[in-house]
Amino acid sequence: NAGVMQNPRHLVRRRGQEARLRCSPMKGHSHVYWYRQLPEEGLKFMVYLQKENIIDESGMPKERFSAEFPKEGPSILRIQQVVRGDSAAYFCASSPLPPTSGRHNEQFFGPGTRLTVL
Amino acid sequence: SQELEQSPQSLIVQEGKNLTINCTSSKTLYGLYWYKQKYGEGLIFLMMLQKGGEEKSHEKITAKLDEKKQQSSLHITASQPSHAGIYLCGADARTSGTYKYIFGTGTRLKVLA
Repeated sequence: NAGVMQNPRHLVRRRGQEARLRCSPMKGHSHVYWYRQLPEEGLKFMVYLQKENIIDESGMPKERFSAEFPKEGPSILRIQQVVRGDSAAYFCASSPLPPTSGRHNEQFFGPGTRLTVL
Repeated sequence: SQELEQSPQSLIVQEGKNLTINCTSSKTLYGLYWYKQKYGEGLIFLMMLQKGGEEKSHEKITAKLDEKKQQSSLHITASQPSHAGIYLCGADARTSGTYKYIFGTGTRLKVLA
């Protein structure tokens, strides 16, 4: 069973361009989470999605950032008109159960996409 | 907003020494997870604690959750260079059924051979 896949692993963009980050959850997992890790900082929650639905986007910046998890295909985190402050590692995680299931619900993390904005 | 405080922020120990990393929350947690992150890589799940007073061990790493479910410690016995990395605690801190998953800022561990 393959783990969580993220691509690309490294992405370089110039200011003003768009960045698209992809995440394929583990087989059988329908709950996806995106986190951002700024240099020398911890992980910050951005958004939680289920298939075709955004459940919680309280950690997403209000502008330029969007996420989707279509019925078919990977989850996409899109950053429009990137700025230097967007440079960070973006991690995706998936879980087999919803976070409110009341049961042990480990999140499995992908290797991350490191975005560099020039 | 609720956060997880980790201490120390960084730690350098000689190989063979024991060490402890702490993770503290201001509120009761539903679940506490420990992860290890190698520099520049993703997170590897270590252990999950859910019950007050719970303690789990894996090889030379032991994690405990206090009775109030607000503080956890990660203890490494006889550290080795392979233990080096960033240790992160994560927690399910939801209230009223809403999702809230938070992380500590991490503890950077170096083990000198």
